[in-house]
Amino acid sequence: DAKTTQPNSMESNEEEPVHLPCNHSTISGTDYIHWYRQLPSQGPEYVIHGLTSNVNNRMASLAIAEDRKSSTLILHRATLRDAAVYYCILRGTTSGTYKYIFGTGTRLKVLA
Amino acid sequence: EAQVTQNPRYLITVTGKKLTVTCSQNMNHEYMSWYRQDPGLGLRQIYYSMNVEVTDKGDVPEGYKVSRKEKRNFPLILESPSPNQTSLYFCASSFLGQGSYGYTFGSGTRLTVV
Repeated sequence: DAKTTQPNSMESNEEEPVHLPCNHSTISGTDYIHWYRQLPSQGPEYVIHGLTSNVNNRMASLAIAEDRKSSTLILHRATLRDAAVYYCILRGTTSGTYKYIFGTGTRLKVLA
Repeated sequence: EAQVTQNPRYLITVTGKKLTVTCSQNMNHEYMSWYRQDPGLGLRQIYYSMNVEVTDKGDVPEGYKVSRKEKRNFPLILESPSPNQTSLYFCASSFLGQGSYGYTFGSGTRLTVV
């Protein structure tokens, strides 16, 4: 099954951009890259996903490397409410029988 | 409102007493899944279902059962709970679509087995 690797934790100052990296060197050609975040005491929440091209939505941007072996979630201006654990996962029909595997994620701390 | 509903939110039970955690979604999603979350281990997939009557094991299926008799419901059954199944459980659903759809998660069920 395709796996992802993320740093355990990162810190950012409020109002500054945050770049959260994810490595997925075993990604298959049709795997989508998904990002979720989990706020304390809540279920994970969908953030963004993409296949090959960079993607933007109201929450964040997703930058995907040309070889697709890595990606970066970009929060343009971090707020205290963005403090959460961010998970990067791969979803696709060739990544192993629909087992969508979460890694341990990156705990983002936002400093006021 | 589109949502995944899990019940109960909190449950304390004794070893060996069968229990069921219910999960229901109102979005007509084909794919449903159960995860457990433990400190330091992240979210681990227990079982998933790609449609009615189609279920398969995730990474940690031992001690659990599921069924998918209707598209909207995907209950998690613990036939004989043990203390090592004390955990936070999440149900999630999505359209299949070759991986191009995001998950919607429920609010979680915190289970304690004593």
